[in-house]
Amino acid sequence: DTGVSQDPRHKITKRGQNVTFRCDPISEHNRLYWYRQTLGQGPEFLTYFQNEAQLEKSRLLSDRFSAERPKGSFSTLEIQRTEQGDSAMYLCASSPQPNEQFFGPGTRLTVL
Amino acid sequence: EDQVTQSPEALRLQEGESSSLNCSYTVSGLRGLFWYRQDPGKGPEFLFTLYSAGEEKEKERLKATLTKKESFLHITAPKPEDSATYLCAVRFREYGNKLVFGAGTILRVKS
Repeated sequence: DTGVSQDPRHKITKRGQNVTFRCDPISEHNRLYWYRQTLGQGPEFLTYFQNEAQLEKSRLLSDRFSAERPKGSFSTLEIQRTEQGDSAMYLCASSPQPNEQFFGPGTRLTVL
Repeated sequence: EDQVTQSPEALRLQEGESSSLNCSYTVSGLRGLFWYRQDPGKGPEFLFTLYSAGEEKEKERLKATLTKKESFLHITAPKPEDSATYLCAVRFREYGNKLVFGAGTILRVKS
């Protein structure tokens, strides 16, 4: 499968714990994006990387959230001190140019 | 104010009953309008990109069109397997590389 992959697909955690998600983009894509989607809403932009540089961050991305793409390939999104409001689907997308973005299957986070 | 609005929120069709979904946007400086299909529990699947008014794209039973401030996704003779949420997203010049999504239209096609 040459699409975007995300791991884990599901994560259940207790409030206050830290979680980390991984995204592997399509191999030739140098642009990588993170979005968050809650039930009944469209995805909301969190952050954008071009190669290893994080070029855009949403104000939704509080200081509890951090994302990295250390070698310009895979990316990780970490949430520290999780809150119930962090429960959502976290989506990763990649693109070879600043237009069509191809999404992975998402990581479903449930904070108890 | 919502920048991208989709209507209707939900649509129920009988198999073979054609209809259209709407996506309108309020911000200037369009850099692309995108349609995605999303099945429950899955990530959005890319369908079309439209760049300028008058442009049309087709794929099987779907046809997307673009005017100055809105886009339509026409579904001709839908089948039950077309049931999904259809998302519209827009890239605006002032917002860089991010896509701004509407809330989606939930389509149910009954046989």
